[in-house]
Amino acid sequence: ETGVTQSPTHLIKTRGQQVTLRCSSQSGHNTVSWYQQALGQGPQFIFQYYREEENGRGNFPPRFSGLQFPNYSSELNVNALELDDSALYLCASSHLTNTEAFFGQGTRLTVV
Amino acid sequence: GQQVMQIPQYQHVQEGEDFTTYCNSSTTLSNIQWYKQRPGGHPVFLIQLVKSGEVKKQKRLTFQFGEAKKNSSLHITATQTTDVGTYFCAGSGGSNYKLTFGKGTLLTVNP
Repeated sequence: ETGVTQSPTHLIKTRGQQVTLRCSSQSGHNTVSWYQQALGQGPQFIFQYYREEENGRGNFPPRFSGLQFPNYSSELNVNALELDDSALYLCASSHLTNTEAFFGQGTRLTVV
Repeated sequence: GQQVMQIPQYQHVQEGEDFTTYCNSSTTLSNIQWYKQRPGGHPVFLIQLVKSGEVKKQKRLTFQFGEAKKNSSLHITATQTTDVGTYFCAGSGGSNYKLTFGKGTLLTVNP
């Protein structure tokens, strides 16, 4: 096991609602990245947090936002959910030098 | 933006046969990583390649990074049923904060 934990594991939301996903990073890691993985696709980079600041962002709209806390845990918030937001959301903790990334088990989000 | 393409999308082999998946980037990479994701699981780091022309081996797995640092391959010798899963390459560019994943190659192994 990687030591990266995500909650909840599964979630069903209605279109238009808001959702918050949580991630506890591995001990000693200061960087958390979030990815969206649609069925049959590779993970797509959403954004990365380092020392509580956003450190890079992929091609996702502003309704995807995040936080990192002093203990390096992190949240992903998605507002105004759309059906296409249904996916597996993965967080990965690492060092900023972007060597080995340790992924959590993911949160399976279904938007209906 | 940076794109990473991976082929084949699917590969079915008989146990004991070899398997290779190929990865190509639209831009030069600073490093490339390989991950394995079992069905219903999450990506698990296998290896990182950094140097041009680098070759690394892990038991039956051989990883290569191209001379131009734009392509990579993973070769599995004598596949076993435990090798089943989706293999992803993920490239990192100069910014070093973002991994761009390929779509993966789903490997199934017939015992």
